Amino acid sequence: DSGVTQTPKHLITATGQRVTLRCSPRSGDLSVYWYQQSLDQGLQFLIQYYNGEERAKGNILERFSAQQFPDLHSELNLSSLELGDSALYFCASSVFQGVRNNEQFFGPGTRLTVL
Amino acid sequence: AQSVTQPDIHITVSEGASLELRCNYSYGATPYLFWYVQSPGQGLQLLLKYFSGDTLVQGIKGFEAEFKRSQSSFNLRKPSVHWSDAAEYFCAVGIYNQGGKLIFGQGTELSVKP
Repeated sequence: DSGVTQTPKHLITATGQRVTLRCSPRSGDLSVYWYQQSLDQGLQFLIQYYNGEERAKGNILERFSAQQFPDLHSELNLSSLELGDSALYFCASSVFQGVRNNEQFFGPGTRLTVL
Repeated sequence: AQSVTQPDIHITVSEGASLELRCNYSYGATPYLFWYVQSPGQGLQLLLKYFSGDTLVQGIKGFEAEFKRSQSSFNLRKPSVHWSDAAEYFCAVGIYNQGGKLIFGQGTELSVKP
């Protein structure tokens, strides 16, 4: 158990809908990261927040947005869902904001299925 | 552009045999390199990392990796594989000055024969 929690574990929804994925980081971690894992794209970095501020951005679609709240939990919002958005979405957390000496701990993921 | 290539999609080894998983990276500066393992239905767990210094790094579960700048490689090794090592392995490079962004390879799935 990494200490990172993600809810829900599974989500099944229809095209065009909007969903929210939630992540609670490990106690004391200030950074939260979101990754998408799909069969065709592999594991891709989406976005990072550090202490409430956006810190780095990857290949995140405009239909997707995220935020980190004052209690440091984070939410990833996916809207106008398409079949291709079906994937495993991971949240990770770390103490600091860079890559050096800053291990990322991954949650178990949320499996999103868009029908 | 930065990238990570894991040439082997799937590898099968016998229990007790040695293992080497290949990873090649493309990055303009000194890379920060990582190996993660993902067991079925689980998140990713860090096996080991390289930032600088000794090019042979030791990790958890008996794994080690060697950084070879001349070959742009960071191969993962284990002298004797256990059945519990069956999982998917990901190599990643951390991008300096882009927060904690990690770029992952496509992964290598390891199967272990009894």
